[in-house]
Amino acid sequence: DGGITQSPKYLFRKEGQNVTLSCEQNLNHDAMYWYRQDPGQGLRLIYYSQIVNDFQKGDIAEGYSVSREKKESFPLTVTSAQKNPTAFYLCASSMTDRIVYNEQFFGPGTRLTVL
Amino acid sequence: SQQGEEDPQALSIQEGENATMNCSYKTSINNLQWYRQNSGRGLVHLILIRSNEREKHSGRLRVTLDTSKKSSSLLITASRAADTASYFCATAWYTDKLIFGTGTRLQVFP
Repeated sequence: DGGITQSPKYLFRKEGQNVTLSCEQNLNHDAMYWYRQDPGQGLRLIYYSQIVNDFQKGDIAEGYSVSREKKESFPLTVTSAQKNPTAFYLCASSMTDRIVYNEQFFGPGTRLTVL
Repeated sequence: SQQGEEDPQALSIQEGENATMNCSYKTSINNLQWYRQNSGRGLVHLILIRSNEREKHSGRLRVTLDTSKKSSSLLITASRAADTASYFCATAWYTDKLIFGTGTRLQVFP
């Protein structure tokens, strides 16, 4: 079954703690993305990576960190520096192409709540 | 930054009716994509229309693109209760990042 998985589905964190959200894909896609979605809002890009060992900041990278050591995996760490981390986090992947920007495939999401 | 703005923000219709959602954007694009999101789930890609295309069909979906007006519309014909979801447009400029709009929440009543 090809796809993109995220874990956990629900995550609770105390203020001041760092947490890491997992994202794995077996679609052999080069590019992976992390988005944040707040209630009733669209998606905002946190970080993206188009190749292993390389990643770029999106529009709201402050308070987040990522790594891309393997093609299949793109974990996101929400640090204590993120002032309002409660949100729905979505991971996505896509094929890369020098000419056309392709569709993205999304995981089921992780809902993070800070207590 | 969010480039796309969907209109209306929310839409309620009866089963069997058509649903039309509009998307406006601000800059040049390579293609425009529409996605669907069921409540609390990830997004699912519906259709991609390239900047040199004006209309595209996929099943009950019809997408139009007017690059001179920087706008697109998504028409869902003969809506079903199962079409209840949020719909997002997203714009792409070559291999740059995909930028999502704010979404339209569609409610289809049986």
